[in-house]
Amino acid sequence: DTAVSQTPKYLVTQMGNDKSIKCEQNLGHDTMYWYKQDSKKFLKIMFSYNNKELIINETVPNRFSPKSPDKAHLNLHINSLELGDSAVYFCASSIGYGEQFFGPGTRLTVL
Amino acid sequence: AQSVSQHNHHVILSEAASLELGCNYSYGGTVNLFWYVQYPGQHLQLLLKYFSGDPLVKGIKGFEAEFIKSKFSFNLRKPSVQWSDTAEYFCAVSPRDYGQNFVFGPGTRLSVLP
Repeated sequence: DTAVSQTPKYLVTQMGNDKSIKCEQNLGHDTMYWYKQDSKKFLKIMFSYNNKELIINETVPNRFSPKSPDKAHLNLHINSLELGDSAVYFCASSIGYGEQFFGPGTRLTVL
Repeated sequence: AQSVSQHNHHVILSEAASLELGCNYSYGGTVNLFWYVQYPGQHLQLLLKYFSGDPLVKGIKGFEAEFIKSKFSFNLRKPSVQWSDTAEYFCAVSPRDYGQNFVFGPGTRLSVLP
């Protein structure tokens, strides 16, 4: 009965690899987000999807690509991973621009 | 573009002390306001929110916040903190205009000493 779930919880990989993080919400929300939280706890929005359309893209490198197969899922695919991509990635969902519910986070470590 | 600032990077208090964390935003339109808490190693959880009506809102765990429109502020308060309140606190603003970003402040780390 988890509201917003992410997999995997931890991801350790080498530079140059391609990886994906999955997110699912069972709240019936129409908007989903991806955030990056750096080591200083600063939260930066990366993407949001509303009804399967990308409505925000915060100058994120094009190595990052969100994919939303349906309203309940928003996956994040990262190509050619770099050291600076190491962070915690949070998925969230909301109804419109209301309260956001966050997933447990995925800690990505690039070696 | 809107921005959110939080007055303190790190606040250290003893148990039973009173808490006030400052939050200011820059946006001329109507906004929704939030405070989130992130306990060590965990995800963000909503403490309280303001959409409209009474500018003094009460949230979970004894927290409250006051929206002062003229000051573009939404400060978080708790009369008596506990050790378990040790966490990172984020203020966030969501403009009601379509297409505007949901923006978080940089966060304030609260350390409560037993």
